[in-house]
Amino acid sequence: AAGVIQSPRHLIKEKRETATLKCYPIPRHDTVYWYQQGPGQDPQFLISFYEKMQSDKGSIPDRFSAQQFSDYHSELNMSSLELGDSALYFCASSSRRQATYEQYFGPGTRLTVT
Amino acid sequence: DAKTTQPTSMDCAEGRAANLPCNHSTISGNEYVYWYRQIHSQGPQYIIHGLKNNETNEMASLIITEDRKSSTLILPHATLRDTAVYYCIVRVEAGGTSYGKLTFGQGTILTVHP
Repeated sequence: AAGVIQSPRHLIKEKRETATLKCYPIPRHDTVYWYQQGPGQDPQFLISFYEKMQSDKGSIPDRFSAQQFSDYHSELNMSSLELGDSALYFCASSSRRQATYEQYFGPGTRLTVT
Repeated sequence: DAKTTQPTSMDCAEGRAANLPCNHSTISGNEYVYWYRQIHSQGPQYIIHGLKNNETNEMASLIITEDRKSSTLILPHATLRDTAVYYCIVRVEAGGTSYGKLTFGQGTILTVHP
């Protein structure tokens, strides 16, 4: 079965640079979620989208922005990167339309800021 | 979403049943109990969820007490590949301002031994 795809899998950036993470949800899933997991920490919710509209917002820094496109893929844009942004970034998808609320996670993007 | 309490760690012998408890004494009537697990640095994996009836799928069983203040995830025949952090999460399945997001608290580190 198709799973959530995230790209790139690994990304190395320097401080103050920008980064764009991409997420391709499971086909026919209409909702996308972004989570951040710092070293030794539990995943923390950043933001979610349903039908291309932001549906919920968590502890996402103002330097970060995200959107969901017409094909339901999503991008997380991160600017003015800081060392503390080094983390695993997970994308998850679900289908509100099909009333399947469990979230399916991608393999994550490991961002390293040097 | 209701707060959950889980033991920090548990051990289990391979081939035996692993019983992971979770307390959620402040759970509301419209909140579901979800279980996810995360194998080292991989994306969290959905296991099972339920409202008040016991549930079973190909991965596990979920036993929820009658008062819904606690639950137990049962892995009937644990294998080495079940070694992971297991998260018990309580949330509203639909509606509300916090719709959708998962709030990961301290989970249980399950170690399955040969």
